[in-house]
Amino acid sequence: QKEVEQNSGPLSVPEGAIASLNCTYSDRGSQSFFWYRQYSGKSPELIMSIYSNGDKEDGRFTAQLNKASQYVSLLIRDSQPSDSATYLCAVNMWGNNDMRFGAGTRLTVKP
Amino acid sequence: GAVVSQHPSRVICKSGTSVKIECRSLDFQATTMFWYRQFPKQSLMLMATSNEGSKATYEQGVEKDKFLINHASLTLSTLTVTSAHPEDSSFYICSAQKGTGSYEQYFGPGTRLTVT
Repeated sequence: QKEVEQNSGPLSVPEGAIASLNCTYSDRGSQSFFWYRQYSGKSPELIMSIYSNGDKEDGRFTAQLNKASQYVSLLIRDSQPSDSATYLCAVNMWGNNDMRFGAGTRLTVKP
Repeated sequence: GAVVSQHPSRVICKSGTSVKIECRSLDFQATTMFWYRQFPKQSLMLMATSNEGSKATYEQGVEKDKFLINHASLTLSTLTVTSAHPEDSSFYICSAQKGTGSYEQYFGPGTRLTVT
């Protein structure tokens, strides 16, 4: 079982819709959770970090964490074509520097 | 802010030569830096974790004698690809942690290495 799993996509949504990206992780000791956006040919850019169960909102982005289900998601409201990218879920354990990345979900927002 | 730079952004070298890539944290001190490699259409692969003043910790399958990592200061880590071969051609990306209790990693822009 992979440590961090994501649906590779591609996920296609129309402009203005809500894009929902999902991630599951295998290690129950995981404490820190991150979403990165990576445009083609570029390096990852941190979008959100979440540490507690529940929702965390930042502009059009909402991260949701459910530790009991070992599940973290990212919602993008009012999706724009500029949101088209690969979204990477990353997880690490408490006290451990290593961050494990999922393979990423490719999102396409169609005008 | 949390800005990380890498140099060079692109490099082409001949097979058998060595290439050094620099990673700098510009506006913070990075207790830990990481080196990743990414092949086209694949995910990030962690190569090694580098702590200032100590030896790097390499992931399984990464040759430490081929990929030399030096973390000489809290703002600079270098990766040297020795005796490069065409199969080493890849996108190399570093990241840095602030070390203030947060595990967020901030990525450099990456270095695209092509070995001919």
